[in-house]
Amino acid sequence: DAGVIQSPRHEVTEMGQEVTLRCKPISGHDYLFWYRQTMMRGLELLIYFNNNVPIDDSGMPEDRFSAKMPNASFSTLKIQPSEPRDSAVYFCASSSGPMHEAFFGQGTRLTVV
Amino acid sequence: AQRVTQPEKLLSVFKGAPVELKCNYSYSGSPELFWYVQYSRQRLQLLLRHISRESIKGFTADLNKGETSFHLKKPFAQEEDSAMYYCALNGGSARQLTFGSGTQLTVLP
Repeated sequence: DAGVIQSPRHEVTEMGQEVTLRCKPISGHDYLFWYRQTMMRGLELLIYFNNNVPIDDSGMPEDRFSAKMPNASFSTLKIQPSEPRDSAVYFCASSSGPMHEAFFGQGTRLTVV
Repeated sequence: AQRVTQPEKLLSVFKGAPVELKCNYSYSGSPELFWYVQYSRQRLQLLLRHISRESIKGFTADLNKGETSFHLKKPFAQEEDSAMYYCALNGGSARQLTFGSGTQLTVLP
């Protein structure tokens, strides 16, 4: 397995544009997490899914953020409209259970100008 | 609510010196605690977990329930240990992994 795969690796977009980040979890993992990493706040959990169902989205900063998991092998995190303060590295992670190790993707570095 | 606190954002030590990265947690039940590491330009990866009681790359961490701490220690730091370190807690009933804000460790030559 190639691990958790995220795309794109880098995204530069203008303020106001829609941004979609993608994640493919490790096959067989039924937990998927989206995190945001910034210098100021470190690693923050945005939302997580269990068996494709969103369980806790309390970390999603605003209504501009939305996440979906249409099937077990794909998830998206969408920001619409994007703002400069959304600039961060967004990580996706998956695990095989709540007490198990989380495996992280390489992250998407988002820059909103 | 579960919370993880890493009081030091930045930590610098000289090569060969002991290093301790602090982590305190808040959780009412019996948590499972982890240390994750992110080397420059690499993905975040698990370093060790308290339940394994193992030493990885010379690092150890002991869970102290009385002090609600899970500090990461290494007796002799190496330059290749320079990285961002995150302490994380998984509370079983909460079913989510909560990370601290991270500590950037720099080991100076």
